[in-house]
Amino acid sequence: DAGITQSPRHKVTETGTPVTLRCHQTENHRYMYWYRQDPGHGLRLIHYSYGVKDTDKGEVSDGYSVSRSKTEDFLLTLESATSSQTSVYFCASLRDSKSETQYFGPGTRLLVL
Amino acid sequence: QQQVKQSPQSLIVQKGGIPIINCAYENTAFDYFPWYQQFPGKGPALLIAIRPDVSEKKEGRFTISFNKSAKQFSLHIMDSQPGDSATYFCAASRGGSYIPTFGRGTSLIVHP
Repeated sequence: DAGITQSPRHKVTETGTPVTLRCHQTENHRYMYWYRQDPGHGLRLIHYSYGVKDTDKGEVSDGYSVSRSKTEDFLLTLESATSSQTSVYFCASLRDSKSETQYFGPGTRLLVL
Repeated sequence: QQQVKQSPQSLIVQKGGIPIINCAYENTAFDYFPWYQQFPGKGPALLIAIRPDVSEKKEGRFTISFNKSAKQFSLHIMDSQPGDSATYFCAASRGGSYIPTFGRGTSLIVHP
């Protein structure tokens, strides 16, 4: 599972507050991803990183930002949480460009009231 | 634009049945087709994968059938068990790309 951990695992917050989710991997994988999972929508890519300080937007990036200052850590920030961002967030990693299997973390369940 | 279409969205079978989940893709450049299995409260994990140079791949009770001309692939679960109850995602990617395209998932329930 590439030793991927996510924190926190559960969070309840209020509309308008900033929230940061953390993903940590121990396998020195180059690529990291943030997805959100919602019923009927499957996994949707929010942002991804292809190296330290190298990130790009996915299909549902509005309202989210990311940072990757170290290979092992990839942070997802909800700048001002909204109820539509209530979801389960998954981090994933991929070893390198020749790899094909993504490894997923256990997920963070976020509730925005 | 959904590049990988997965069906059905949900599926209920009895123990011993053979659930079949289908996926169709549009991009002919895709050359790797994995299936991920996700149990409640867990992240997805790779179950089985296939490349377009073969038409079928089996791993235990799980089989992928691949039809390159129709741009379709499917997952069959032989002798399904209640422990197979999970959400299944198909995906597709192409060599050199590190961003797979996922289907929307199928929730499978296997009744005892």
